[in-house]
Amino acid sequence: AQSVAQPEDQVNVAEGNPLTVKCTYSVSGNPYLFWYVQYPNRGLQFLLKYITGDNLVKGSYGFEAEFNKSQTSFHLKKPSALVSDSALYFCAVRDPARGGKSTFGDGTTLTVKP
Amino acid sequence: NAGVTQTPKFQVLKTGQSMTLQCAQDMNHEYMSWYRQDPGMGLRLIHYSVGAGITDQGEVPNGYNVSRSTTEDFPLRLLSAAPSQTSVYFCASSSAGNEQFFGPGTRLTVL
Repeated sequence: AQSVAQPEDQVNVAEGNPLTVKCTYSVSGNPYLFWYVQYPNRGLQFLLKYITGDNLVKGSYGFEAEFNKSQTSFHLKKPSALVSDSALYFCAVRDPARGGKSTFGDGTTLTVKP
Repeated sequence: NAGVTQTPKFQVLKTGQSMTLQCAQDMNHEYMSWYRQDPGMGLRLIHYSVGAGITDQGEVPNGYNVSRSTTEDFPLRLLSAAPSQTSVYFCASSSAGNEQFFGPGTRLTVL
């Protein structure tokens, strides 16, 4: 069975500082990995994905993520946080061998303080 | 493109009532899914579909039915509502291997 772990319920950073939101996964085959963001009372929005190729993936709003196969991790990063980055972040894994089924982590609330 | 649309936005039911949550997408995506979101529990997959006429169960399928008669529509039926089904429900669609597009959600309260 595939699974995703986001070990931190909450991450707090000061504006202008780098941020990292952690994600580890478990899947039987080669994973498709995704990050989504949810603002209050909204649906989820796609940030970035890793399917294959370069381990460093760049996405929307200046976010990037690094795929590490040996550590089965896909941490989300941003060099300089903005107050407007404050939101709920979800990591998700999709095993292409299992068709359309995706598994999400429990989410990490990011708070960026001015 | 409207993307993924869901109706209604809000719904209050009494225990034992049934209802259907509607979901439609206009992107010709073959994959569609229903999730529920509860505080501290992330998104849990209820049912999903890999194409018209094909559906399968997710993590928490009990008490819910789905059908997929067209590519565009993927309704979720609550057979006999229970307070434990109070949640926010999201529908999503995607093409193979790609990111999901989410609807705005339906906030359901069961009294």
